[in-house]
Formats: sequence, C-alpha cells, structure tokens
Amino acid sequence: QKEVEQNSGPLSVPEGAIASLNCTYSDRGSQSFFWYRQYSGKSPELIMSIYSNGDKEDGRFTAQLNKASQYVSLLIRDSQPSDSATYLCAVKPRGNNRLAFGKGNQVVVIP
Amino acid sequence: SQTIHQWPATLVQPVGSPLSLECTVEGTSNPNLYWYRQAAGRGLQLLFYSVGIGQISSEVPQNLSASRPQDRQFILSSKKLLLSDSGFYLCAWSLVLPSYSYEQYFGPGTRLTVT
Repeated sequence: QKEVEQNSGPLSVPEGAIASLNCTYSDRGSQSFFWYRQYSGKSPELIMSIYSNGDKEDGRFTAQLNKASQYVSLLIRDSQPSDSATYLCAVKPRGNNRLAFGKGNQVVVIP
Repeated sequence: SQTIHQWPATLVQPVGSPLSLECTVEGTSNPNLYWYRQAAGRGLQLLFYSVGIGQISSEVPQNLSASRPQDRQFILSSKKLLLSDSGFYLCAWSLVLPSYSYEQYFGPGTRLTVT
C-alpha cells in the first residue's frame, strides 16, 4: 500500500468551475498534510497546509481533512487558466523527518 | 525571510563524469534539508535528508551521495553518472517547530541531462 495515493487522471475543468482533487494516505498517525502546486518545468510551491479535521480556506483554495477516513482533498473555486498545473499531495508520516508525496494530479483549466 | 538557492540551473554531463550540485538556505538556522529527484513525468523521489551538520540519511541506494558541510549548505555528488541519473533535482528545507510543522519549501531545481 502506497503511503500517499492520488489516483485520478488529468482533470479538465472549464474556467470558473470548481476543481476537486483527492488524496488518501496509509499512516493513521499522520499529523501534517500539504498541497503543492507545480507548474511545468518549475519546482513545487506550497499552497496549503492543514493539521486538524475539517476545512481550511485560503482565497480560492479550500483544503479538507478527514483523519477517520484518511483522506485529504483540495478544492479550487472559480478556476482560472493560471491554475493549470500539477497538484501534489504530501503527508508527514508518524515518527519521520520527511514527507511522503503522491504522484500528483494534473489540472487543466479550459478558457 | 528565508531563501533557498540551487546551482547550476541546468547541466548536461556525459555518462561516467562526476557530479556536484549545491544548495544553500538563507534566513534560517538549523533547517532540515532534503534532496529529491523527479524523473520526466514521474513523482518526487526522496534521495537524502539531513537534520544537522554531518548527519545524512539515505532513502534510496544508488551511486549518489550527499554531504552537509555547513548548517545551511547541502551538496549532492556522484563519482560516475549513469544515464538513469537524468532528472530534475530539487533541494528543500523545513523547520521542526510547531508553527511550521514540517512544511517544506523547495529551491528552483537543477535539470540534469546525462548523455
């Protein structure tokens, strides 16, 4: 079982719509959860951190965490063409000094 | 504010040649430092991480090595490059403090092509 899984294929959304990304993780003791955005040819950029169950909103981004079900999601409201990127989910496993990353989901916002 | 630097930005090296990539962090002390590789179209692979000077943990056995000669300097090396070493090399830092909680911040990366 992979530590972090992002199973959805490329996601195409029309401009102005909501993009929804999901991520599941295997270590029930994980405490810290992150979403990174990576534009093609660039390094990942941290866009959201979430540490407790529930929703956390930052501008057009909302991260949702459900520790009982071991999933974390990212919603992008009013999607813009500039949101077209690969989104990486990352989780800090218990007792580790590192993050476990998912393979990422590509989002394409169609004008 | 904190800044992370990596150089060179791009590198083309022949098979069998040595490698040295450098990463430095400014504006913080005693960070955790990480080296990742991202092959074309692939996910992030953690190669090494360091929690202090001279302390290196290796995640994947390979022909690469890492060193941390100073608190904010992290170096990735190889004595002989393989074709499979091509990829996007990323350095990252994090702080182990409650307010940061292992948030990692990435440098701009080095794109290595082994020919």
